[in-house]
Amino acid sequence: QVQLQESGPGLVKPSETLSLTCTVSGGSVSSDNYYWSWIRQSPGKGLEWIGYIHYSGSTDYNPSLKSRVTISLDTSKNQFSLSLTSVTAADTALYYCARADVGLVVYFDFWGQGILVTVSS
Amino acid sequence: DIQMTQSPSSLSASVGDRVTITCRSSQNINNYLNWYQHKRGKGHQLLIYAASSLQSGVPSRFSGSGSGTDFTLTISSLQPEDFATYYCQQSYSTPPTFGGGTKVEIK
Repeated sequence: QVQLQESGPGLVKPSETLSLTCTVSGGSVSSDNYYWSWIRQSPGKGLEWIGYIHYSGSTDYNPSLKSRVTISLDTSKNQFSLSLTSVTAADTALYYCARADVGLVVYFDFWGQGILVTVSS
Repeated sequence: DIQMTQSPSSLSASVGDRVTITCRSSQNINNYLNWYQHKRGKGHQLLIYAASSLQSGVPSRFSGSGSGTDFTLTISSLQPEDFATYYCQQSYSTPPTFGGGTKVEIK
């Protein structure tokens, strides 16, 4: 059974960079069949897909966040990470990591339980 | 972006009830529609993919139907462990987008 666990600071100051890591167990981030994703949920916007990465290095980001987002992969640690720059209060949300199966239909078949990140001074 | 609208936003039901949740997309998405269950403090569970395919390990009381712009998730006989929030998600185009959720509560 694949498990994902988010980690990182729960409080980030405005204008700084939000950095989160997702540790994967029971599966490999080097698998050819999956993309590794970040999704967030804030009270005002519901669930919002941030982006994902394939072990080949291929990435895809939500256009609404693309200028501020980087997702990277560390195969040696079986982890992937999110970096979101220049954060504001609007970036306060529950952040989830998830595995995406990108076959004929793209779906997220395993999710972490989420980490709350608050942007505040 | 494709907008996904779920209804109702919440409902109250009893164990054994048949429950139906609707999801509507702002444009034709063929059958590129998935359903998830979420319980607070846990990871979201994939229930249905491609509108009507049951994910491995998911009880057969869950079913999905629809195509085009209108989709339905049905729970044939609500069980105590089914009280949760349900989300639809389209994967027809990038970015994938989600419905606002339907919270199923105990009557």
